Amino acid sequence: AQSVTQLGSHVSVSEGALVLLRCNYSSSVPPYLFWYVQYPNQGLQLLLKYTSAATLVKGINGFEAEFKKSETSFHLTKPSAHMSDAAEYFCAVSEAGTASKLTFGTGTRLQVTL
Amino acid sequence: GAGVSQSPRYKVAKRGQDVALRCDPISGHVSLFWYQQALGQGPEFLTYFQNEAQLDKSGLPSDRFFAERPEGSVSTLKIQRTQQEDSAVYLCASSLGPVYNSPLHFGNGTRLTVT
Repeated sequence: AQSVTQLGSHVSVSEGALVLLRCNYSSSVPPYLFWYVQYPNQGLQLLLKYTSAATLVKGINGFEAEFKKSETSFHLTKPSAHMSDAAEYFCAVSEAGTASKLTFGTGTRLQVTL
Repeated sequence: GAGVSQSPRYKVAKRGQDVALRCDPISGHVSLFWYQQALGQGPEFLTYFQNEAQLDKSGLPSDRFFAERPEGSVSTLKIQRTQQEDSAVYLCASSLGPVYNSPLHFGNGTRLTVT
């Protein structure tokens, strides 16, 4: 069975500060890992994904994440937060080679303050 | 349409009523997924279609939940004899191919409230 754990249900940063959202995974086989963002009253949108190529993955809106097998982590970062980054962020995992379901974490709500 | 469309946007049902939730995926998308998102939780997988074939329904919580995609396009999630614990946002997503290779496009969801 696979799962993801997102540490911190709420994260608050100042505008211009570093964003770090944590995700640790558990999988018995090599995983594929994803970050999704959900803005208020909108559907989930893919930010980036790791599918066993480069361990440092760059996504949209200046976000990136690094796959660290030794730490079973896939933390999401952005060097400088913008007010428009305020949203809910979900980490998700699927088993490598499978076509179907994603298993999501419980989400982290990012607040950006002036 | 440009994206995944779900209807209705909101649904209020009395306990014991049957409901039907509709999903219009992006045209040409082979894969279709249903997820359930309870308040304060991440989405949880319900079921997966590849074209009209339901390949995985392991996430359906009980036999009161039924999903279909008869022509490989529009899908309907039906919940019979609704219970309060069924209250959640039901998300539909579609993709061109396998989830690891093709991004999932999510609809805005249907918020179901069972009173």
